[in-house]
Amino acid sequence: EVKLVESGGGLVQPGGSVRLSCAASGFTFRSYWMSWVRQAPGKGLEWVANIKQDGSEKSYVDSVKGRFTISKDNAWNSVSLQMNSLRVEDTAVYYCARVRLDGSLLFDFWGQGTMVTVSS
Amino acid sequence: EIVMTQSPATLSVSPGDRATLSCRASQSVSSNLAWYQQKPGQAPSLLIYGASTRATGIPGRFSGSGSGTEFTLTISSLQSEDFAVYYCQQYNNWPSFGQGTKVDLK
Repeated sequence: EVKLVESGGGLVQPGGSVRLSCAASGFTFRSYWMSWVRQAPGKGLEWVANIKQDGSEKSYVDSVKGRFTISKDNAWNSVSLQMNSLRVEDTAVYYCARVRLDGSLLFDFWGQGTMVTVSS
Repeated sequence: EIVMTQSPATLSVSPGDRATLSCRASQSVSSNLAWYQQKPGQAPSLLIYGASTRATGIPGRFSGSGSGTEFTLTISSLQSEDFAVYYCQQYNNWPSFGQGTKVDLK
């Protein structure tokens, strides 16, 4: 059974940092691209970042470039999102999502999400 | 950036009804279009990809159609468990989602 379990969310002040982690199981993690997708309270979905199977390629939505860093550890079957210089508008549930095996940037499994609240 | 626009924002239907949801892309995305279902308090789940291919385990009452810029998700006979928010997503370029269509009880 595919499982993705996020952790690390919480309340952080504007300008602060937080690191999200996603533990994966039930599939050959090293074979998949992984992503983070977020959802602001009461709003729709927004893709945040992607990382290639071996971590050699990373992509980000423009609004987080230079502030967020995605990383992947195939030894520990985990993907992380380091979030720096946080803004109020980064408040959202952050989902870890598996990219479909053929590399098409759609998401075939999702974690339950972790909430990040940026507020003073 | 490719902008995805869904209509209507809310669709009120009765169990057993047919529901038709629309999604429009600001430029052609070929058939690189997926649909997701999200129930309250849950993560989204994949329904359809390639505009018309059902994901594993998705019942036959869900069907997708379209290509280019115009897409449709049809639920042929709505069941109680289908009341949810539905999102379309293009993956022809960097991923972008529509704003969602809420299917609720009439």
